[in-house]
Amino acid sequence: DAEITQSPRHKITETGRQVTLACHQTWNHNNMFWYRQDLGHGLRLIHYSYGVQDTNKGEVSDGYSVSRSNTEDLPLTLESAASSQTSVYFCASSESLAGGEETQYFGPGTRLLVL
Amino acid sequence: AQSVTQLGSHVSVSEGALVLLRCNYSSSVPPYLFWYVQYPNQGLQLLLKYTTGATLVKGINGFEAEFKKSETSFHLTKPSAHMSDAAEYFCAVTKGNNDMRFGAGTRLTVKP
Repeated sequence: DAEITQSPRHKITETGRQVTLACHQTWNHNNMFWYRQDLGHGLRLIHYSYGVQDTNKGEVSDGYSVSRSNTEDLPLTLESAASSQTSVYFCASSESLAGGEETQYFGPGTRLLVL
Repeated sequence: AQSVTQLGSHVSVSEGALVLLRCNYSSSVPPYLFWYVQYPNQGLQLLLKYTTGATLVKGINGFEAEFKKSETSFHLTKPSAHMSDAAEYFCAVTKGNNDMRFGAGTRLTVKP
């Protein structure tokens, strides 16, 4: 069965360190997304990609970067981790439909703690 | 820009009672609307979505939602709550440009 996986599931790091969160999907979806989930805010979009070599900034992109070298993977990098980036991170993917009504399929999440 | 408001961060019902989770949206164009459910330590799963056509949408696990354009609402209902319905529920809206905006979520508790 097609799926979307994230690793690691839990990560503890220190302020100032570079951290990379992995996201891998076997749906063969063109669109991939990274969100962060914080209490009282729901999910907020960090970055997204419509295909290989395409990346776009979302609502809360400062301090984060992504790269898309193949269809399956969209790693999220925190260039210099800050305590404000302690959160649960979700990766999602969707296919491209003409009407734009795509359902997004979510990974299980990565819980990141920055000390 | 579109936005979503979920009324009530926490809703508690008894098993067998009606579930009503409220969602209002603002959008400058006709939106696509979604309800997702999140069980503890899991990602979000699609419950149902409205794109076009029939305004009453049926989803999984007995849930349904009605799109009311005049009220800019997309409330989620289930006639009879089950213990397994306890979870967090998110309403989301998009104009079809992959810029999906989520509400803050409503935690549903089901009492025996």
